[in-house]
Amino acid sequence: SAVISQKPSRDICQRGTSLTIQCQVDSQVTMMFWYRQQPGQSLTLIATANQGSEATYESGFVIDKFPISRPNLTFSTLTVSNMSPEDSSIYLCSVGRTGAMNTEAFFGQGTRLTVV
Amino acid sequence: LAKTTQPISMDSYEGQEVNITCSHNNIATNDYITWYQQFPSQGPRFIIQGYKTKVTNEVASLFIPADRKSSTLSLPRVSLSDTAVYYCLVGDIWFGGGGADGLTFGKGTHLIIQP
Repeated sequence: SAVISQKPSRDICQRGTSLTIQCQVDSQVTMMFWYRQQPGQSLTLIATANQGSEATYESGFVIDKFPISRPNLTFSTLTVSNMSPEDSSIYLCSVGRTGAMNTEAFFGQGTRLTVV
Repeated sequence: LAKTTQPISMDSYEGQEVNITCSHNNIATNDYITWYQQFPSQGPRFIIQGYKTKVTNEVASLFIPADRKSSTLSLPRVSLSDTAVYYCLVGDIWFGGGGADGLTFGKGTHLIIQP
């Protein structure tokens, strides 16, 4: 399994500011993933963070808005830049594991962001 | 990517068996079927994964017919704490499980268990 810690768990931010979300994993992983879950909606993949290279962004998400750092194999940050109320969402980080029986994803508890 | 279709919501009662069916008509040969559960204010949690026939673990069973165009998650004797959103994901073992690729979530099924 994998234990993922996210900080902060929630925040209320002023529009136009930026927030950096931290994700710490209890073991080394190659890939870390960042998702957004808007209120009442499903999860949407923002980007994949691979240690030692630039993150790969999904359609509709850009590096200038969501810069990601991946300084080592257990840690990543996602910054939500120049925030607007539309950025109010839950942001989750995730890692994958392949075991003897399954390949599964583990998620952090999420960061609930409210932009006012 | 195989598109999945699930009921938007389901209701049941404590002690009942709940079956949630997911349609995935375009499933590919290499695709696995994976189910996740999400409680409010938490990240999704892996429930079960399978390729064909039947898979059972301590939490649920997964039934997959021979044509693999659908699958059914079976939750035995549900309790109030099983109220959650259940997501069916279909993809190759890396994609569906979240290894080298991220996951694509559909809308999920909101399961509400009543006393």
